Amino acid sequence: EDQVTQSPEALRLQEGESSSLNCSYTVSGLRGLFWYRQDPGKGPEFLFTLYSAGEEKEKERLKATLTKKESFLHITAPKPEDSATYLCAVQGYYGGSQGNLIFGKGTKLSVKP
Amino acid sequence: ETGVTQSPTHLIKTRGQQVTLRCSSQSGHNTVSWYQQALGQGPQFIFQYYREEENGRGNFPPRFSGLQFPNYSSELNVNALELDDSALYLCASGETDTQYFGPGTRLTVL
Repeated sequence: EDQVTQSPEALRLQEGESSSLNCSYTVSGLRGLFWYRQDPGKGPEFLFTLYSAGEEKEKERLKATLTKKESFLHITAPKPEDSATYLCAVQGYYGGSQGNLIFGKGTKLSVKP
Repeated sequence: ETGVTQSPTHLIKTRGQQVTLRCSSQSGHNTVSWYQQALGQGPQFIFQYYREEENGRGNFPPRFSGLQFPNYSSELNVNALELDDSALYLCASGETDTQYFGPGTRLTVL
């Protein structure tokens, strides 16, 4: 069964304290791995798509990496505005033009000033 | 801004009623997907439409149904509401593999 596990469930950081979020996955055929940011009561906001092991993408203080079994979201020198829940999702080859996304439960990040 | 809008923002219904949620995708996005997100959980895939045809469905009963229209709008219909249907309902659309989400509709079933 395709599955996504995120850890930790919650992470508290001081402003400027770098850290990493983990996303472990099992999928029969990986079409893509996605990271989203979600603020309370709002829809997920797209951050990155990764397609193959070894791929890396960066955006401001965030950097996403991918291996054959997991992905990491590295946060460098976070600021309070980075506080949110970060969701990881995988997409397999289920047919159709996109297939569905299988999400983890997310990591709730809190950054204190 | 993703260009994906949803209405209404919030909705309160009672058990056994029926509800229709609406989504407007960005022009050119031929695929729309619907997800259910319970509190503290990740979104769960309900179904996907491609050019007005359902082409994928998650583990949801038939009382969850949908429609997609040629003008890039779509609907999620839920019949015989149950208390466990209380959740944030998200619609997502995209041109390629990446899906962009709307703000969601918060449904509360009493």
